[in-house]
Amino acid sequence: EPEVTQTPSHQVTQMGQEVILRCVPISNHLYFYWYRQILGQKVEFLVSFYNNEISEKSEIFDDQFSVERPDGSNFTLKIRSTKLEDSAMYFCASSEWGGAGYGYTFGSGTRLTVV
Amino acid sequence: AQSVTQLGSHVSVSEGALVLLRCNYSSSVPPYLFWYVQYPNQGLQLLLKYTSAATLVKGINGFEAEFKKSETSFHLTKPSAHMSDAAEYFCAVSEIQGAQKLVFGQGTRLTINP
Repeated sequence: EPEVTQTPSHQVTQMGQEVILRCVPISNHLYFYWYRQILGQKVEFLVSFYNNEISEKSEIFDDQFSVERPDGSNFTLKIRSTKLEDSAMYFCASSEWGGAGYGYTFGSGTRLTVV
Repeated sequence: AQSVTQLGSHVSVSEGALVLLRCNYSSSVPPYLFWYVQYPNQGLQLLLKYTSAATLVKGINGFEAEFKKSETSFHLTKPSAHMSDAAEYFCAVSEIQGAQKLVFGQGTRLTINP
């Protein structure tokens, strides 16, 4: 069964450093998403991406965050200057069709720890 | 705005017993509703979804959920718990038209006692 692959599984970074979280969506999927889960809290929507542009973003997704599909297979989330409160599990997801009703496939997540 | 409330952050049942995980939603428009499961160190896996067809939805691993509009509920059930069902379960909602994002509940950790 096709999978969404996320790397690394765990990343530790110093506060103020830039991090890039990487995702390889399922190959025929066209819609891509990032969610995050701070320890003990809800899974929260960050951003959706289609046709090489952001289609929706949450209030969490401020100027410190950016997304990119640099080469037609990877989908990345960049945090420019990490803060302690960015520590969370970050999930990438993709779907063949837009709209959550069609169903996403989630990756296994990257645990980001900011120290 | 949409929201989801899962009653009980932790539910514990005996192996072979009924599993009931509660989810109530709030939505100003007809919703799509979902249950996801997360096993340790794994991603979110779709268990089942309601997309305005049959109100009783069957999913994987013997789980099912019933959409009750009058009660704004979408509770997840399984008649007989198995040890392998131990995991974190998330209820989520999205709007039918156009919206791409899921709004999740806070999750319920299911423990199965032998």
